[in-house]
Amino acid sequence: AQSVTQLDSQVPVFEEAPVELRCNYSSSVSVYLFWYVQYPNQGLQLLLKYLSGSTLVKGINGFEAEFNKSQTSFHLRKPSVHISDTAEYFCAVNPMGYSTLTFGKGTMLLVSP
Amino acid sequence: DVKVTQSSRYLVKRTGEKVFLECVQDMDHENMFWYRQDPGLGLRLIYFSYDVKMKEKGDIPEGYSVSREKKERFSLILESASTNQTSMYLCASSLRGAGANVLTFGAGSRLTVL
Repeated sequence: AQSVTQLDSQVPVFEEAPVELRCNYSSSVSVYLFWYVQYPNQGLQLLLKYLSGSTLVKGINGFEAEFNKSQTSFHLRKPSVHISDTAEYFCAVNPMGYSTLTFGKGTMLLVSP
Repeated sequence: DVKVTQSSRYLVKRTGEKVFLECVQDMDHENMFWYRQDPGLGLRLIYFSYDVKMKEKGDIPEGYSVSREKKERFSLILESASTNQTSMYLCASSLRGAGANVLTFGAGSRLTVL
């Protein structure tokens, strides 16, 4: 079975500061990896995905993530956050050959002025 | 863009009522999913379907059933609602085939059971 651990339930940060949201996973097979974002009162929206190739993946809104196979991590980063980035962020793993995703418990990013 | 529509954004039901949550997608996706979202627990898979009339249990199917009579529509049914089913319910869909399973989500249905 696979699992996803998001190490921080809440990350407070000031506007224009850098941020890193951490995600670790476990799986017995190779995986695809995703980050989704959920703004208040909305569904989840795909932020970025790692399928293969370059381990540094760029997504929407200036976010990027780096796949580290040896450390089984897929941390999300942004060099300078905005108030509008306040949202909940979910990391998810899709083992190759499986139809379903397993999600982490989410990290609430709180950006203040 | 794929659009996944959940017909009811907010519902309030009483204990013991039968509840239907409807989800429709308009891009001919084979796979459809129902997740439940609770604070601190993230998203948990209730049921999914990879074809019409096909269904598979997810991680927490107890107390729920599903129906997929048409490719574009996937319904979640609570036969007898209970207060511990108060939650946000998210529907998603994806293409089937080789490769990653990229989900597109609806806006969610927030159910309160009194």
